[in-house]
Amino acid sequence: DQQVKQNSPSLSVQEGRISILNCDYTNSMFDYFLWYKKYPAEGPTFLISISSIKDKNEDGRFTVFLNKSAKHLSLHIVPSQPGDSAVYFCAASGTGNQFYFGTGTSLTVIP
Amino acid sequence: EAGVVQSPRYKIIEKKQPVAFWCNPISGHNTLYWYRQNLGQGPELLIRYENEEAVDDSQLPKDRFSAERLKGVDSTLKIQPAELGDSAVYLCASSSWTSGGVNEQFFGPGTRLTVL
Repeated sequence: DQQVKQNSPSLSVQEGRISILNCDYTNSMFDYFLWYKKYPAEGPTFLISISSIKDKNEDGRFTVFLNKSAKHLSLHIVPSQPGDSAVYFCAASGTGNQFYFGTGTSLTVIP
Repeated sequence: EAGVVQSPRYKIIEKKQPVAFWCNPISGHNTLYWYRQNLGQGPELLIRYENEEAVDDSQLPKDRFSAERLKGVDSTLKIQPAELGDSAVYLCASSSWTSGGVNEQFFGPGTRLTVL
């Protein structure tokens, strides 16, 4: 049973425009959410996170929005750059140290 | 600060052979994770350690998979015997809680296993 879902396997965006990656979850006990970025042949690297007590967290060009009532979060990248081309994983965690991952969205930023 | 180290990076074996993966977590990280990632999927937890204790191994196929974390630092994951369906990337990660109450998880580069 997939508790974290990323329904878009891929996304293409023009350089300079906004990239919006979406993630849905089913477990209302999740209280901490993360986005990871993964390049080929490398492990995922932490990008940005948000606690359930917030609805927005911003770090430079990256902003994560959380809608608890809809059990939905999104990652906005603006402006998008070619170096942002990677696979992005959404992850969620509840009490304890266990993380649940989505299936990933492959972002391509076109120069 | 050194990241999570894994070896080998790549391994090709024939089915029914044994294989072992090694992980050295970030110094001071008490929690260590082994994940398996199949092509086009996200990482799926196999086992989680808190120090030397395996606190969640519900997804570990115990008939052929085993893991240990000696002295609560390095960890090894073993498959014996390997099957064709075990071909995947095996990721090790470690985490710790920051002073701000954030649990940051860091991944190693993974071991890509191919079973022929």
